[in-house]
Amino acid sequence: EDKVVQSPLSLVVHEGDTVTLNCSYEVTNFRSLLWYKQEKKAPTFLFMLTSSGIEKKSGRLSSILDKKELFSILNITATQTGDSAVYLCAVDQVKSGGSNYKLTFGKGTLLTVNP
Amino acid sequence: SQTIHQWPATLVQPVGSPLSLECTVEGTSNPNLYWYRQAAGRGLQLLFYSVGIGQISSEVPQNLSASRPQDRQFILSSKKLLLSDSGFYLCAWRWRTAYEQYFGPGTRLTVT
Repeated sequence: EDKVVQSPLSLVVHEGDTVTLNCSYEVTNFRSLLWYKQEKKAPTFLFMLTSSGIEKKSGRLSSILDKKELFSILNITATQTGDSAVYLCAVDQVKSGGSNYKLTFGKGTLLTVNP
Repeated sequence: SQTIHQWPATLVQPVGSPLSLECTVEGTSNPNLYWYRQAAGRGLQLLFYSVGIGQISSEVPQNLSASRPQDRQFILSSKKLLLSDSGFYLCAWRWRTAYEQYFGPGTRLTVT
């Protein structure tokens, strides 16, 4: 059975701290790994990773994938209260027949950044 | 640019009543479309996906059904709602083989 496991499930930090969120996976027909941020409503896209060892960066957020060990991390440096959200990891898989793709999500990490 | 709409935003329905949630995508053609449910604020479960008009695949057996009557329209339905159908329903789209998948604003359904 395909699974995506995120840790920790919740995390409380103070503004300015650096956090590392983890995502491990066991899936068939891996295509890519995606990170989303969800604040109350719909998830918003952060990163897409397909290759090991290549870090993606956007401001204070960065992410890297290890396809050998089957995990990814999302780092947030100098956290701000606006970073408070649920961070979702999802693995994109090729469905049978190759005509469609499916995202399998982890349960998410609830990050709370206190002032 | 592409936009995805969902309505209604919130819905409170009694047990046993029917359901119809609608999703439309603008600014693209022939997208892949998806319905997800999110319970207890965590983890999205894929319910249905569609690669074209009239083509629906179900991921989990349940009380719900989906239809795609037009290229950019995806509908989630139920004939009789159960308490366990409560949750946050999200529609998503991606363009064919693209890596990124984008979500609509969601419908929060409470079955009482």
